[in-house]
Amino acid sequence: EPEVTQTPSHQVTQMGQEVILRCVPISNHLYFYWYRQILGQKVEFLVSFYNNEISEKSEIFDDQFSVERPDGSNFTLKIRSTKLEDSAMYFCASSEAGTEQFFGPGTRLTVL
Amino acid sequence: RKEVEQDPGPFNVPEGATVAFNCTYSNSASQSFFWYRQDCRKEPKLLMSVYSSGNEDGRFTAQLNRASQYISLLIRDSKLSDSATYLCVVTPDNNAGNMLTFGGGTRLMVKP
Repeated sequence: EPEVTQTPSHQVTQMGQEVILRCVPISNHLYFYWYRQILGQKVEFLVSFYNNEISEKSEIFDDQFSVERPDGSNFTLKIRSTKLEDSAMYFCASSEAGTEQFFGPGTRLTVL
Repeated sequence: RKEVEQDPGPFNVPEGATVAFNCTYSNSASQSFFWYRQDCRKEPKLLMSVYSSGNEDGRFTAQLNRASQYISLLIRDSKLSDSATYLCVVTPDNNAGNMLTFGGGTRLMVKP
């Protein structure tokens, strides 16, 4: 069964550093998403991406965040200058038709 | 008022029991509804979509009450493997690519 994959599984970084989280969505899916979940809290939407552009973004997704689909398979989330409060689990999701979304295993980001 | 509200639980039930969870949502324009399950420190996994007519998948039955803005999930003949957090999820309207809004989840623990 096809699945979303994410790398790395765990990323530790120093405050102020840039990080890039990588995702490979399911191959025939057209809609891509990033969500985050701070430990003990609910899953929160960050951004959705379709047809090579951002279709929606939340208040969390400020100028420090960017997304890119650099080739036909990868979908990346970049955080330019990490803050302590960026520590969370980051989930990538993809959808064939924009309805049911399937999640990757997540990247745990720890900012020291 | 929270957008998607769930009783956090935990619900402690014996194997074989029937258990029901409810969820309320605040946006009357919400169009798509889902139940996801999340195991500890893992990604949300789609359990089932919820349709206006209600739907059943094996031991799981989901129902939607648009007038009262609530969604339910019924699990029959609980198994130990059903122990997880169940997430109620809505999207704001029927446009493709929409963000998912998650509830905080209801924790279920099935005991032998």
